[in-house]
Amino acid sequence: DTAVSQTPKYLVTQMGNDKSIKCEQNLGHDTMYWYKQDSKKFLKIMFSYNNKELIINETVPNRFSPKSPDKAHLNLHINSLELGDSAVYFCASSQGPQPVEQFFGPGTRLTVL
Amino acid sequence: KQEVTQIPAALSVPEGENLVLNCSFTDSAIYNLQWFRQDPGKGLTSLLLIQSSQREQTSGRLNASLDKSSGRSTLYIAASQPGDSATYLCAASTGANSKLTFGKGITLSVRP
Repeated sequence: DTAVSQTPKYLVTQMGNDKSIKCEQNLGHDTMYWYKQDSKKFLKIMFSYNNKELIINETVPNRFSPKSPDKAHLNLHINSLELGDSAVYFCASSQGPQPVEQFFGPGTRLTVL
Repeated sequence: KQEVTQIPAALSVPEGENLVLNCSFTDSAIYNLQWFRQDPGKGLTSLLLIQSSQREQTSGRLNASLDKSSGRSTLYIAASQPGDSATYLCAASTGANSKLTFGKGITLSVRP
């Protein structure tokens, strides 16, 4: 059973398009995250939601908009895609925003042409 | 602002060797430190989490230590195997929302 799942696994699209990445966790956690891993493999947090409320919002362009319909889901919508958005995006979850163990999804590799 | 450093970026060892992977962080006010493993094209697998009040954690052939005062953590891998080949990342949890700050990882290759 997959604990944290993401769809799609791969996403290839043209500049200027709008795309979404979906994330679901079946661990019963109440906190979910989005991370970006760039071409140099550097992993940085983008957003965090606790009980559907945004608690971390790093300096991410407002073209990126997370949406949490419920505690088990955190989707990432990206408008007007740019070449620099090409990266691997990871979703993660934890029980509470407290400093506890985070569990990661398999990642979505986004390529913007 | 927390910064996490992992040096070297890559390491190659023969099978059976005991090895130590280093991680350093600039802000000692951490809540915990977590070690992850990432296989090529895959997600992150949590290996060990050390709370700020702990000195070490063990899981099988892995042992992670934490020294907050010096801003360092080490991951010890005993009797390394080719299957241990992967990238190992450490991440420190700091700040009001326990944000994880990652190092760039150490890519380990264990030669048969």
